[in-house]
Amino acid sequence: EVQLLESGGDLVQPGGSLRLSCAASGFTFSAFAMSWVRQAPGKGLEWVSAVTVGGDITYYADSVKGRFTVSRDNSKNTLYLQMNSLRAEDTALYFCAKISTKSYKIDPWGQGTLVTVSS
Amino acid sequence: QSALTQPPSASGSPGQSVTISCTGTSSDVGGYYYVSWYQQLPGKAPQLIIYEVTKRPSGVPDRFSGSKSGNTASLTVSGLQAEDEADYYCSSYAGSNNFVVFGGGTKLTVL
Repeated sequence: EVQLLESGGDLVQPGGSLRLSCAASGFTFSAFAMSWVRQAPGKGLEWVSAVTVGGDITYYADSVKGRFTVSRDNSKNTLYLQMNSLRAEDTALYFCAKISTKSYKIDPWGQGTLVTVSS
Repeated sequence: QSALTQPPSASGSPGQSVTISCTGTSSDVGGYYYVSWYQQLPGKAPQLIIYEVTKRPSGVPDRFSGSKSGNTASLTVSGLQAEDEADYYCSSYAGSNNFVVFGGGTKLTVL
């Protein structure tokens, strides 16, 4: 069974940093692109970032470009999201998910980890 | 990156059909055959129900169907059931610069 388990969410002050992790199991992690999607409280989904299988090509939403960095460690089956210069509008539930670069379908999704940016 | 446009709400009675639209541009929905739809039940993570405009993952009932015309994609839920009450989101590939864009979501109510 495919499992994606996010961790690292926390309360952080504006301007602060946080690193999210996503531990993958049940599939060949190194063979699939991965993505982060977030959902602010009571709001819709927003795609955040994606990384290719080797970790060498990354993609970012304009809203996080230059502040967030996605990476992966295929030896540990783990996806990361380094978030710097955090703003109140980054407050959201952050989902880790597998993304297909053939169909761009996002499936499956983890349960999410909550990031709250507040003083 | 502009979100795709979905109606905020839709509703129907059990057994009826309801269609949710998702309007983008020629740079996303209209330019690629990579539209997906997701169902999000309250308090749960989203689940893929349609990909590549019309395809259903295994386990998704055939009551769910997708289509596209020009810059607008649509999700139709036929034979509405109480368990279909959820938020529905569309997404589309938007090229190598914007990658993926989501719609604002539609809350489906089964009356």
